[in-house]
Amino acid sequence: QKEVEQNSGPLSVPEGAIASLNCTYSDRGSQSFFWYRQYSGKSPELIMSIYSNGDKEDGRFTAQLNKASQYVSLLIRDSQPSDSATYLCAVTPTGGFKTIFGAGTRLFVKA
Amino acid sequence: GAVVSQHPSRVICKSGTSVKIECRSLDFQATTMFWYRQFPKQSLMLMATSNEGSKATYEQGVEKDKFLINHASLTLSTLTVTSAHPEDSSFYICSARDPQGRGDNEQFFGPGTRLTVL
Repeated sequence: QKEVEQNSGPLSVPEGAIASLNCTYSDRGSQSFFWYRQYSGKSPELIMSIYSNGDKEDGRFTAQLNKASQYVSLLIRDSQPSDSATYLCAVTPTGGFKTIFGAGTRLFVKA
Repeated sequence: GAVVSQHPSRVICKSGTSVKIECRSLDFQATTMFWYRQFPKQSLMLMATSNEGSKATYEQGVEKDKFLINHASLTLSTLTVTSAHPEDSSFYICSARDPQGRGDNEQFFGPGTRLTVL
């Protein structure tokens, strides 16, 4: 079982819609959770971090964490073509120093 | 804040040569930096953890004699690909944590170095 799992996609949504990206992780004691955006040919960019159960909102982005279900998600409201990228879920496991990255979900927002 | 730079951004070299990539934290001190490699359409692969003033910790399967890492200061880590071969062609990305930053364990990535070995 992979430590951090994401659906590779591609996920295609129309402009203006809500894009929902999901991620599960295996280490139940994990404490830190992140979403990165990576455009083709570029390095990852941190867009959200979340540490406690519930929702965290930042502009059009909302991260949701459910530690009991070992599930973290990212919602992108009012999706724009410029949101088209690969979104990486990342988790720092219990007592961990390294951050484990998922393989990423490719998102396409159609104009 | 939390800006990480890399140099060079792109390098093309002949097979057998060595290539050095620099990673710098510009506005913070990083006792630890991470080196990743990413092949086209694949996920990030952690190669090694670079520790200031001590030896790097390499991931399983990564040859430490081929990928030399030096972290001589709190703002600079270097990765040297020795005797590069075409199969070493990849996108190399470093990252660092800002210990004074707002979030625990947040990593900030450099812009990456695209290495092409002919």
